[in-house]
Amino acid sequence: RKEVEQDPGPFNVPEGATVAFNCTYSNSASQSFFWYRQDCRKEPKLLMSVYSSGNEDGRFTAQLNRASQYISLLIRDSKLSDSATYLCVVTGNTGGFKTIFGAGTRLFVKA
Amino acid sequence: EAGVVQSPRYKIIEKKQPVAFWCNPISGHNTLYWYRQNLGQGPELLIRYENEEAVDDSQLPKDRFSAERLKGVDSTLKIQPAELGDSAVYLCASSLVTGSGAFFGQGTRLTVV
Repeated sequence: RKEVEQDPGPFNVPEGATVAFNCTYSNSASQSFFWYRQDCRKEPKLLMSVYSSGNEDGRFTAQLNRASQYISLLIRDSKLSDSATYLCVVTGNTGGFKTIFGAGTRLFVKA
Repeated sequence: EAGVVQSPRYKIIEKKQPVAFWCNPISGHNTLYWYRQNLGQGPELLIRYENEEAVDDSQLPKDRFSAERLKGVDSTLKIQPAELGDSAVYLCASSLVTGSGAFFGQGTRLTVV
């Protein structure tokens, strides 16, 4: 089992739709969680941190479920510009600090 | 404020040749990372620096890869000799401290032929 797993998609949604991605992690001692966005042939860009209490930034909501070991990203009112690959990141300090990226979930928003 | 700067953006070399990448992190960021990203995959950590100390190089193929971060600011990553399988995007990132969100440079797309 991979340490961080994401559904590769692609998710194809119409403009205005609500879409959600999950990311599961295997290390229960993981400490910090992030979502990044990566456009085609571009570098990853930090989208938001994921806090235990949840985190909302405009149309984006991130949540953490420690009991089931997953984080989620919800995008409301999808825009064409939301089309990208969304990478989850899990960090922890078990046996040394580690940062692990998921392989990403591809999202296509269509007009 | 300037972001993470990397050069070159693209590099094409023949196998067995050396290649070097340069990174200038965001000012004040103590932690610097080098990642390698292959198509369809997430970035994989090669090495992490805290100031000038390499604190995690467990994933760096030390027979051919080397890195340095002199004075705890700029960093270089070198491959010698390059192999066909080294073709990838090499990303540099920095963060204020280890564990905080990281910011990436535009990457160097390496093609080994």
